Amino acid sequence: GAVVSQHPSWVICKSGTSVKIECRSLDFQATTMFWYRQFPKQSLMLMATSNEGSKATYEQGVEKDKFLINHASLTLSTLTVTSAHPEDSSFYICSASRGYLNEQFFGPGTRLTVL
Amino acid sequence: TQLLEQSPQFLSIQEGENLTVYCNSSSVFSSLQWYRQEPGEGPVLLVTVVTGGEVKKLKRLTFQFGDARKDSSLHITAAQPGDTGLYLCAGGSNYKLTFGKGTLLTVNP
Repeated sequence: GAVVSQHPSWVICKSGTSVKIECRSLDFQATTMFWYRQFPKQSLMLMATSNEGSKATYEQGVEKDKFLINHASLTLSTLTVTSAHPEDSSFYICSASRGYLNEQFFGPGTRLTVL
Repeated sequence: TQLLEQSPQFLSIQEGENLTVYCNSSSVFSSLQWYRQEPGEGPVLLVTVVTGGEVKKLKRLTFQFGDARKDSSLHITAAQPGDTGLYLCAGGSNYKLTFGKGTLLTVNP
């Protein structure tokens, strides 16, 4: 149990375009999902907390108009990188929280490359 | 701001050796989780510890939570090449996790 999927697994786009990444909890419902960004050989950096049916909570320094998050159902959260630029190239990982210990289960990640 | 100091940052050992990774903080966490991540993939949850002094074993991996719930350790016995990866500790507070910087472990055959 506790399987989280992400789509796409990788995407290459031109500068100025928008990219949407989907995160799904496949076998459980998640009222809270999280979006992280990870640079090579570094740890995870929390970008925002996505709450079903309400606005996302963004970490300090993360532009909410740049990284749009929608959590429309208990099994789906989306991250849209708007007007992407090369500096947005990164590995984006989502997680879904489950249980009273709020354990987080991670998706496989999405590699975004902006040309 | 809660911080988790993880050490060592890099570790390269030979197959069969033992190793310990440490995770320390000045803050108290309600739980502490250990993850292992392979390149290009998401982290995989290994264990969650919640009680001060708790010890959990997962085959050759032994996890310990400090009595004060501020620190934790991961000990691997007789490491194997398949143990290679990035090990991350994460402290739980409210609903969020605070991650350590990770330990990149390489086990050479």
